Amino acid sequence: DIVMTQTPLSSPVTLGQPASISCRSSQSLVHSDGNTYLSWLQQRPGQPPRLLIYKISNRFSGVPDRFSGSGAGTDFTLKISRVETEDVGVYYCMQATQFRTFGQGTKLEIK
Amino acid sequence: VQLQQSGPGLVKPSQTLSLTCSVSGDSVSSNSVAWNWIRQSPSRGLEWLGRTFYRSKWYNDYAVSVKGRITINPDTSKNQFSLQLNSVTPEDTAVYYCAREADYDSSGYYSPGLFDPWGLGTLVTVSS
Repeated sequence: DIVMTQTPLSSPVTLGQPASISCRSSQSLVHSDGNTYLSWLQQRPGQPPRLLIYKISNRFSGVPDRFSGSGAGTDFTLKISRVETEDVGVYYCMQATQFRTFGQGTKLEIK
Repeated sequence: VQLQQSGPGLVKPSQTLSLTCSVSGDSVSSNSVAWNWIRQSPSRGLEWLGRTFYRSKWYNDYAVSVKGRITINPDTSKNQFSLQLNSVTPEDTAVYYCAREADYDSSGYYSPGLFDPWGLGTLVTVSS
């Protein structure tokens, strides 16, 4: 199984400031078709996860443009340009190159 | 598309956990969608369990961690799919989610990992 490791596990951020979450996979996520299937999801308290980003950097429908994704191979990053109150929650990376596995989550909280 | 989960919240050890996910706004027989089960617990985090999908015939994929104990079945007459997990232990206590995964994004590009929407989740406790 591909193991996904996120850092940090907790990220206190000041409102209006940027935030960054890293995700590393135990092996390359480049699929045999040449694409890389890495997604990011947000889970607000008491809710199911919600898709934010797919294929490394594509924002899903309705996702604000303050969210962006980048990376390649085994190293990926989710960035929030200016954190808002509604961004509080836990963020997960997920690989879809070989079956599906999730990172352990990063809790974003306001300082 | 909406997913409505149903099933018992309490299962005894060694018995079978059974959950159903009813689909509205799409067809479980769609040839460009997969229907997934995922669970979440404090000890294991988010764990993908498996999926069923139709591509001229029905296929299943299961996570190694539960293979041999899990069955995911479609029910086309009711437009729903189900999860059965056998021989449960307290380690299987978790919130269970169903989720739709589209093969293609809105621009028509092949994009595995498009998990949307998710069911609201069912807390299943394994206890005698």
